[in-house]
Amino acid sequence: AQSVSQHNHHVILSEAASLELGCNYSYGGTVNLFWYVQYPGQHLQLLLKYFSGDPLVKGIKGFEAEFIKSKFSFNLRKPSVQWSDTAEYFCAVTQTNTGFQKLVFGTGTRLLVSP
Amino acid sequence: KAGVTQTPRYLIKTRGQQVTLSCSPISGHRSVSWYQQTPGQGLQFLFEYFSETQRNKGNFPGRFSGRQFSNSRSEMNVSTLELGDSALYLCASSLGKNTGELFFGEGSRLTVL
Repeated sequence: AQSVSQHNHHVILSEAASLELGCNYSYGGTVNLFWYVQYPGQHLQLLLKYFSGDPLVKGIKGFEAEFIKSKFSFNLRKPSVQWSDTAEYFCAVTQTNTGFQKLVFGTGTRLLVSP
Repeated sequence: KAGVTQTPRYLIKTRGQQVTLSCSPISGHRSVSWYQQTPGQGLQFLFEYFSETQRNKGNFPGRFSGRQFSNSRSEMNVSTLELGDSALYLCASSLGKNTGELFFGEGSRLTVL
């Protein structure tokens, strides 16, 4: 069965530090990849997505992610975090033949950015 | 425009009871998906409805069911509640096409005592 692994459950950074959150998935077929974010007290929202093409995708708020097919990875990065980036981040994957609604999520990474 | 609305936001039930949760999608969205979020298992896909038809189903027992109405509003039902059903139930809507973006509601938090 498909699975998604997020290696870091909790990350604490100071403002202006660089961020990289790891995500690996287990499915060997064609996939679509996503990062969702949940800010404190808010609902889940899409940060960025990869369907095909350029493996480096850019999302909102300066986030980017790189798809490395050979490593089954889709790591999230941001060069310089801000206090407002404090949130929980979820990596997710769907198989292209099951539709975009059936997401398999990782367990999430809680990011705390100290001012 | 209004986001995804879920009701009730919080509810407490006892073992053996049943519960119905409601979700109103964003206007124009025809797909509604349901997810269960727990601290131990994270977010798990329950099912997805599109134009009143269940299009995808996750690995949950038959006690979990759902339906979608002609106005795209959806309900999910859990019968014979167990302690392990305590969770945040999230509804997400989308256009149903391959846009790749789900719009989530704030969830219904169910506590089973």
